[in-house]
Amino acid sequence: NAGVTQTPKFQVLKTGQSMTLQCAQDMNHNSMYWYRQDPGMGLRLIYYSASEGTTDKGEVPNGYNVSRLNKREFSLRLESAAPSQTSVYFCASSDNRHNQPQHFGDGTRLSIL
Amino acid sequence: GIQVEQSPPDLILQEGANSTLRCNFSDSVNNLQWFHQNPWGQLINLFYIPSGTKQNGRLSATTVATERYSLLYISSSQTTDSGVYFCAGDPYNTDKLIFGTGTRLQVFP
Repeated sequence: NAGVTQTPKFQVLKTGQSMTLQCAQDMNHNSMYWYRQDPGMGLRLIYYSASEGTTDKGEVPNGYNVSRLNKREFSLRLESAAPSQTSVYFCASSDNRHNQPQHFGDGTRLSIL
Repeated sequence: GIQVEQSPPDLILQEGANSTLRCNFSDSVNNLQWFHQNPWGQLINLFYIPSGTKQNGRLSATTVATERYSLLYISSSQTTDSGVYFCAGDPYNTDKLIFGTGTRLQVFP
């Protein structure tokens, strides 16, 4: 049981390049999330998807787009990467039978030069 | 917006010691959870604890929702407990968590 799988684990981009971060979960969860974690800080929610076909903005959505491809997969896209988007990105999922714990992937460390 | 304050920000312990970590919320939250981020960056969900007390081995957590705080107790600490502990809550009952800035714990042998 892999849980939440993120790819890639590491990526270096140049300013202006585009990139899609992939996330898949095998726990049959309805809800999926994308967070970013900056040095010395907690996680901040970028986007959220309560079910296939639905997405909603979190605290810091600017500069990002998301796609809930199916129940298993939720991707995060940077259309034109900026140095301020250098961060560690985490995907999470939960069973949205209201009030369930979130389970996290191992993260993608993204550097933008 | 809601503020999530964790204390202490840093904690250094010798193996075998006990500790209490605190999380205060500026407003009511739902879905309160505690996470451990290990030195390799992995985030593990420790407790889902909107109210009351739960225990899991050497760890236990208590949330007093009416007073907007939660406590995480670590007993007989081990070096593998090192890392950063985060609390998070959902102020709008929408499954969108707001995280605190964490308590960094270092346990030395």
